[in-house]
Amino acid sequence: EEQLVQTGGGLIQPGGSLRLSCAASGLSVSNNYMTWVRQAPGKGLEWVSVIYSVGTTYYADSVKGRFIISRDNSKNTLNLQMNSLRPEDTAVYYCARGPHITMVQGVTRNYGMDVWGQGTTVTVSS
Amino acid sequence: QSVLTQPPSVSGAPGQRVTISCTGSSSNLGARYDVHWYQQLPGTAPKILISGNSNRPSGVPDRFSGSKSGTSASLAITGLQAEDEADYYCQSYDSSLSGYIFGTGTKVTVL
Repeated sequence: EEQLVQTGGGLIQPGGSLRLSCAASGLSVSNNYMTWVRQAPGKGLEWVSVIYSVGTTYYADSVKGRFIISRDNSKNTLNLQMNSLRPEDTAVYYCARGPHITMVQGVTRNYGMDVWGQGTTVTVSS
Repeated sequence: QSVLTQPPSVSGAPGQRVTISCTGSSSNLGARYDVHWYQQLPGTAPKILISGNSNRPSGVPDRFSGSKSGTSASLAITGLQAEDEADYYCQSYDSSLSGYIFGTGTKVTVL
């Protein structure tokens, strides 16, 4: 069974740093596109960052220069290092596999973000 | 910042059909990027409902269907059931933002 289990999160003061982790089982983080998504209290989903299988990374403008996505292939784990945290970073953070893109009989199929972690809460407050 | 617009809420009686629209632009849905739909039950992680515009992953009831045309997409739920009460999000890629985007979200209420 493909599964993502998240750790990290908690209460942190503005300007502080926090590291989220997402341990994968049944799938390889190094062979897949892996994504972080967040959801502020009472709000919708917001894409945060992606790391492609070749290692290329992209970030939402709201976190660019402050957050770093990475993976530890030996531990099959996805990480999100969050620095210079602001109150507006308060949210539930989800890791996900995706977009999950495969080639089937010469045809590219996009399965979207098809495996999700359980989410972890980050609260930035003094 | 969401660039995919959805109605804030839709409602219907059990057994009815409801649709949720997702309106984008030439840099996302109009650029032929796939649209995906997610269902989020209260207090839980999102779950993929429709992938690649119209494909249902294994285990998703055939009451759910998706379509896409031009700069818009839609999710239809036929034979609405109480357990369909949830938030629904569309999602795609935007070339002008060089990133992934979610819709504003729609709350489905079963009357």
